Amino acid sequence: GAGVSQSPSNKVTEKGKDVELRCDPISGHTALYWYRQSLGQGLEFLIYFQGNSAPDKSGLPSDRFSAERTGGSVSTLTIQRTQQEDSAVYLCASSLLSAEQFFGPGTRLTVL
Amino acid sequence: GQQLNQSPQSMFIQEGEDVSMNCTSSSIFNTWLWYKQDPGEGPVLLIALYKAGELTSNGRLTAQFGITRKDSFLNISASIPSDVGIYFCAGQLANEKLTFGTGTRLTIIP
Repeated sequence: GAGVSQSPSNKVTEKGKDVELRCDPISGHTALYWYRQSLGQGLEFLIYFQGNSAPDKSGLPSDRFSAERTGGSVSTLTIQRTQQEDSAVYLCASSLLSAEQFFGPGTRLTVL
Repeated sequence: GQQLNQSPQSMFIQEGEDVSMNCTSSSIFNTWLWYKQDPGEGPVLLIALYKAGELTSNGRLTAQFGITRKDSFLNISASIPSDVGIYFCAGQLANEKLTFGTGTRLTIIP
């Protein structure tokens, strides 16, 4: 498709389980971002990939969170040993060269 | 992390009214962006501003890049029901990552 896609759209998991969230950016976009949005809140930056450069991981809240981007395209955000406070919508965005980021629909994560 | 201050936090208006919201920062930016987020969706880019003093329109929406480079404004004229949602500003300096505002929730009263 033409836009950013994310899967799954919803994920319910039990506390302590690992989860993987996927993002397919717009084809050709060199930059990819992950954000977290708690209910009714703003966007919390998590991690940023730009081309082949080392990712900016400054927003990851703990070492349970990690992300990779394979082949400069698809990205996976992994949360290990999930906690209830990890429940949120995880948004992915991509951009080409400018500041204009295009967002996916998000993955709603619920940790029981 | 750092966030921009947006005001108001929420607005309750009647259909047909004009809307104004703004975003302020303690530091300068050289790009300002405005996004709208509908429930259950990701934010959608409305307007991008690249020059201090710039005034840009997109239909009923008009945004301005403040002359001090520390603020930006978004106006919506003649609001309609589909304007309901959360509006976020975002600023960027050089090639740094975007800093997002705290959001303005717009509700239209029947």
